[in-house]
Amino acid sequence: VTLLEQNPRWRLVPRGQAVNLRCILKNSQYPWMSWYQQDLQKQLQWLFTLRSPGDKEVKSLPGADYLATRVTDTELRLQVANMSQGRTLYCTCSADLGGPNTGQLYFGEGSKLTVL
Amino acid sequence: AQKVTQTQTSISVVEKTTVTMDCVYETRDSSYFLFWYKQTASGEIVFLIRQDSYKKENATVGHYSLNFQKPKSSIGLIITATQIEDSAVYFCAMREMSNYNVLYFGSGTKLTVEP
Repeated sequence: VTLLEQNPRWRLVPRGQAVNLRCILKNSQYPWMSWYQQDLQKQLQWLFTLRSPGDKEVKSLPGADYLATRVTDTELRLQVANMSQGRTLYCTCSADLGGPNTGQLYFGEGSKLTVL
Repeated sequence: AQKVTQTQTSISVVEKTTVTMDCVYETRDSSYFLFWYKQTASGEIVFLIRQDSYKKENATVGHYSLNFQKPKSSIGLIITATQIEDSAVYFCAMREMSNYNVLYFGSGTKLTVEP
């Protein structure tokens, strides 16, 4: 059983369009949910960690702009915009139990984004 | 500057042998946490083992163990009795108390276990 369900799993993104990703925590509640990006060279980079429903953060990195929202205790969203043409990016959500187990993350299966 | 560095891009071993993967980290925090994760061919990322900076004993979980050398800022992963299924990309990661939310990852080491 997958603890974290991501959708869509794959999306072709027309140039100039934004894409919205969802991450749903199944059968549990973990206080800390995060987004990570992973490039084709496999490098994982932390993007956001959001704790409470209503929390929002934005970030601009080379190649894409991001807006993360903690919608509910079990849902995290990520809007990816202004991706560079021809770029492929993986966005993966994670959940952190927190407390003494902080850092022992569960990861979703990832969403692959490819810009046309 | 990279906070977590894995210099081995790929390693190939024969099954049932022992393999060690290297990782060095950089932090000014006195308290931090070190982790190893594994990413399979399907893309799934799985937590393997953890070492807290204040603990002197090397962590061990199943056939995974750590070689924690604090003076060298080094946290090696040792896999004994390797199996074909251990083939994956292994990531070293660090969390600092001063930057609680962020998990810094190394660039990964691809392990191939051959029959």
